[in-house]
Amino acid sequence: ILNVEQSPQSLHVQEGDSTNFTCSFPSSNFYALHWYRWETAKSPEALFVMTLNGDEKKKGRISATLNTKEGYSYLYIKGSQPEDSATYLCAFKYSGAGSYQLTFGKGTKLSVIP
Amino acid sequence: DTAVSQTPKYLVTQMGNDKSIKCEQNLGHDTMYWYKQDSKKFLKIMFSYNNKELIINETVPNRFSPKSPDKAHLNLHINSLELGDSAVYFCASSFTSGITDTQYFGPGTRLTVL
Repeated sequence: ILNVEQSPQSLHVQEGDSTNFTCSFPSSNFYALHWYRWETAKSPEALFVMTLNGDEKKKGRISATLNTKEGYSYLYIKGSQPEDSATYLCAFKYSGAGSYQLTFGKGTKLSVIP
Repeated sequence: DTAVSQTPKYLVTQMGNDKSIKCEQNLGHDTMYWYKQDSKKFLKIMFSYNNKELIINETVPNRFSPKSPDKAHLNLHINSLELGDSAVYFCASSFTSGITDTQYFGPGTRLTVL
């Protein structure tokens, strides 16, 4: 069983605050880590795909880092805005049954208070 | 223009019935997936389908069967519905089933079995 853990489960921040949350995954047989953003009543949307240890990706005010040796990734949001309110999912890509599959964490639900 | 669409959005049915959920993608992707969002809110892979090759998650009961009439469609058939099948089902697609391929999700179908 592959465990992908995300913390915290939920988070409330004031508009303008910066925040970060964690995704932990198995450090062996690493292929890739995906981050998704899931707004209420919408579909999950891809943010980043990360494959290399030490990788850092950025998209506007959102960035992510990757440590494959210790099995964690951080997602940072700088100057949170109400529109950042969503659940942020990470997913670990593994090889199973002859293909690559994603196993998802439960997500971190972010609420940005205006 | 909806990239990945699912119908119906809501499905309420009686135990023992047989039902289908349709999924269509207009992205020209080769691989399609079905996920189940369980009671603990995890997204769990049920099937992936790539160029007529079906990869099944071994934990999925054989009452569930995917059917792909063509590359753009992957429908989910469920026989003899049980109460525990109540969940939100998501379809997704990706260009290939490779390590870094981003998956694009549909809006989900909420199935309620009474």
